[in-house]
Amino acid sequence: QVQLQESGPGLVKPSQTLSLTCTVSGASVSSGNYYWNWIRQPAGKGLEWIGRVHMSEGPKYNPAVKDRVTISIDTSWTNQFSLSLRSVTAADTAVYYCATFDVWGRGTLVTVSS
Amino acid sequence: DIQMTQSPSSLSASVGDRVTITCRASQIIAHYLTWHQQKPGRPPKVLMTAASTLQSGVPSRFSGSGSGTDFTLTISSLQPEDVATYYCQSYNSAFGGGTKVEIK
Repeated sequence: QVQLQESGPGLVKPSQTLSLTCTVSGASVSSGNYYWNWIRQPAGKGLEWIGRVHMSEGPKYNPAVKDRVTISIDTSWTNQFSLSLRSVTAADTAVYYCATFDVWGRGTLVTVSS
Repeated sequence: DIQMTQSPSSLSASVGDRVTITCRASQIIAHYLTWHQQKPGRPPKVLMTAASTLQSGVPSRFSGSGSGTDFTLTISSLQPEDVATYYCQSYNSAFGGGTKVEIK
């Protein structure tokens, strides 16, 4: 059974880069069997799909953030994929989730504040 | 880019009522739709995939239907533990805005 776990800093300063990693168990990120997604949820608001990556395809991003985001697969032995969101503001404060189409991580809260 | 529209945004119903939530995709997505349930303070949980396939452990009072652009989530007999926000999602893509379900 696939399991996902987000990790990364819980506090990021405005204008800096938010970087998160998702560690996958039960499947290989390099197998091509899944799309690997990042999703976020500001407090009290709905779910926002950020983007996805697949071993055999280019990444695809939500137009709302596509100029600031990179999602990539770690091709080393770590079985991870990552999110990088540049030039963050307070509006990027949210719980960030990694997910496949049918499995979610537990989420990690990232706060953007000086 | 696919956009998903859900309705209603919230509803209040009595225990035992039949509840229906609709979801519309901006383009044809065949059956590639997931329904998620999120209770307060918890991560979302997948209720069903492929528009109508219940995940293991999901009560049979939940059902899904639809294909193409129009989809429905039905709770046949609303229970107190079903209080949550429900989201549709095109596979590996956009979410609907959510439907908050409360008990009257």
